[in-house]
Amino acid sequence: EVQLVESGGGLVQPGGSLRLSCAASGFTFSSYAMSWVRQAPGKGLEWVSVISGSGGSTYYADSVKGRFTVSRDNSKNTLYLQMHSLRADDTAVYYCANFRGSSEYFQHWGQGTLVTVSS
Amino acid sequence: DIQMTQSPSTLSASVRDRVTITCRASQSISSWLAWYQQKPGKAPKLLIYKASSLESGVPSRFSGSGSGTEFTLTISSLQPDDFATYYCQQYNSYPLTFGGGTKVEIK
Repeated sequence: EVQLVESGGGLVQPGGSLRLSCAASGFTFSSYAMSWVRQAPGKGLEWVSVISGSGGSTYYADSVKGRFTVSRDNSKNTLYLQMHSLRADDTAVYYCANFRGSSEYFQHWGQGTLVTVSS
Repeated sequence: DIQMTQSPSTLSASVRDRVTITCRASQSISSWLAWYQQKPGKAPKLLIYKASSLESGVPSRFSGSGSGTEFTLTISSLQPDDFATYYCQQYNSYPLTFGGGTKVEIK
């Protein structure tokens, strides 16, 4: 059974940093691209970033480019999202999700971790 | 960027009703469209991919159709478990984008 478990969310001040983690199990982690998707309170879904299975390719939404960095440790089956220069509009539940093969839709999702940016 | 527009934003329906949700893309995305269901406090769940392919384990009352710029998600006979918010997502090109969502409420 595929499991994705996010952690690392919490309350952070504007301008601060936070690192999210997503522990994966139940599939060959290194074979799959992984993504982060976020959802602001009461709002819709917003794709944030993606990283290839090898970690060699990454893409970001314009809203986070230059502030967020996605990475992965395939030896630990773990995905990361390093977030810097956080703003109030980064407040959201952050989900990790995997693609099915090379198709960029989200087959499995974690339960999400809440990031709140507030003073 | 490809904009995805869903309609309606809210839909009131009764059990056993046939429900149709529309998703329009700002440019052609061929059949590179997925649909998700989300319940309050839960992660989204994949329903449909490649516009009309039903994800394993999803009830057959859900179906998807369309290509190019116009797509529909149909629930043939609404069940109590189907009251939720539905999102479309294009994966033709980056950035990946979602529609704004359609909340299906009890009438």
